[in-house]
Amino acid sequence: EAQVTQNPRYLITVTGKKLTVTCSQNMNHEYMSWYRQDPGLGLRQIYYSMNVEVTDKGDVPEGYKVSRKEKRNFPLILESPSPNQTSLYFCASRKQGGGELFFGEGSRLTVL
Amino acid sequence: GESVGLHLPTLSVQEGDNSIINCAYSNSASDYFIWYKQESGKGPQFIIDIRSNMDKRQGQRVTVLLNKTVKHLSLQIAATQPGDSAVYFCAEILPGSGNTGKLIFGQGTTLQVKP
Repeated sequence: EAQVTQNPRYLITVTGKKLTVTCSQNMNHEYMSWYRQDPGLGLRQIYYSMNVEVTDKGDVPEGYKVSRKEKRNFPLILESPSPNQTSLYFCASRKQGGGELFFGEGSRLTVL
Repeated sequence: GESVGLHLPTLSVQEGDNSIINCAYSNSASDYFIWYKQESGKGPQFIIDIRSNMDKRQGQRVTVLLNKTVKHLSLQIAATQPGDSAVYFCAEILPGSGNTGKLIFGQGTTLQVKP
């Protein structure tokens, strides 16, 4: 089954404790992206990657890092989480030329 | 900046009726639009898309209409069912975004289907 898998789905952590949200897709997609979803603000892009070792900032990259060492994986790293990073996070992927963007099920992060 | 907006945050319809969800976009040069459905606790799912060289596109029980004159997009759902209850987003591909295909999402309309 074609899918984008995120882990963890739910996480409560404390300010300053580094965490990583993993994302993996099994569709051989070149393009991957991270979004955060907040009430009243909709979906906003954090980072995206056009292919292995190619990443770029989205609209709200501050406080986040990403890496793309393999085509299937695109982890989101919060080096020093803060309460304003409490949000619902989505990873997504699609083919390089465009087309449907497939989303993961989401990771709800709470930073205390 | 660019924005894609939906007219109503919540729409309540009776089961079996048709639903119309509206969206206004700001960039007249945008050439590709997508509707997504997000059920509670899940990620957004693609419903239907339309390119700017079309006025209308139909899928299974859904129709998207594009009015470029007034920069308006709508999603029509025929014979709305309880399983259609979800948040619906329109998204716009910014012109000039090339291969990045950057999507700008609206804030969403919550569709509530009453039995």
